[in-house]
Amino acid sequence: QKEVEQDPGPLSVPEGAIVSLNCTYSNSAFQYFMWYRQYSRKGPELLMYTYSSGNKEDGRFTAQVDKSSKYISLFIRDSQPSDSATYLCAMTPSGGYQKVTFGIGTKLQVIP
Amino acid sequence: DTGVSQDPRHKITKRGQNVTFRCDPISEHNRLYWYRQTLGQGPEFLTYFQNEAQLEKSRLLSDRFSAERPKGSFSTLEIQRTEQGDSAMYLCASSWGTGNYGYTFGSGTRLTVV
Repeated sequence: QKEVEQDPGPLSVPEGAIVSLNCTYSNSAFQYFMWYRQYSRKGPELLMYTYSSGNKEDGRFTAQVDKSSKYISLFIRDSQPSDSATYLCAMTPSGGYQKVTFGIGTKLQVIP
Repeated sequence: DTGVSQDPRHKITKRGQNVTFRCDPISEHNRLYWYRQTLGQGPEFLTYFQNEAQLEKSRLLSDRFSAERPKGSFSTLEIQRTEQGDSAMYLCASSWGTGNYGYTFGSGTRLTVV
């Protein structure tokens, strides 16, 4: 079993829809949770960063962490065609330890 | 200096040849990381530097792989005697400080071994 599980999709939604992306994990030591967006043939770009449980909102993006269920989510409101990309969840233990474990990514397509 | 720079962007090499990639991190970032990403997979950790010290190496980093970061600035990743299984995107990332605030990735070097 992988430490981080993520549905690869693809997920196709119409423009303006609310998108929900999710990951589960097995390592209870994970404390920092991130979402990266990756366009084709580009490096990942950090979208959201959260520590421990709770919600964090940034514009059209909301990240949720439920440590009791080992489940994290990213919601995208009013999705746009420019949101079409692969979304990678990522996580790491607390402290100065910097190795990050990534999910395999969910490919999202927003159809105009 | 607006981001992490990687060179070359693409590299095609014959099996058995040696290749070297370069990464220039964001100038004030003291931490540098190498990851490898194959098609349809997330990035996998290879190695990590804090300044010039290589603090961790993944078991994915076989004896054919070596990474350096002289003087804590740019870094190189060398693969000796390349194999077809080495074909992947090699990503470099950097970060600053002792906290964990996420990486800044470069655009990667895509290696194809033929």
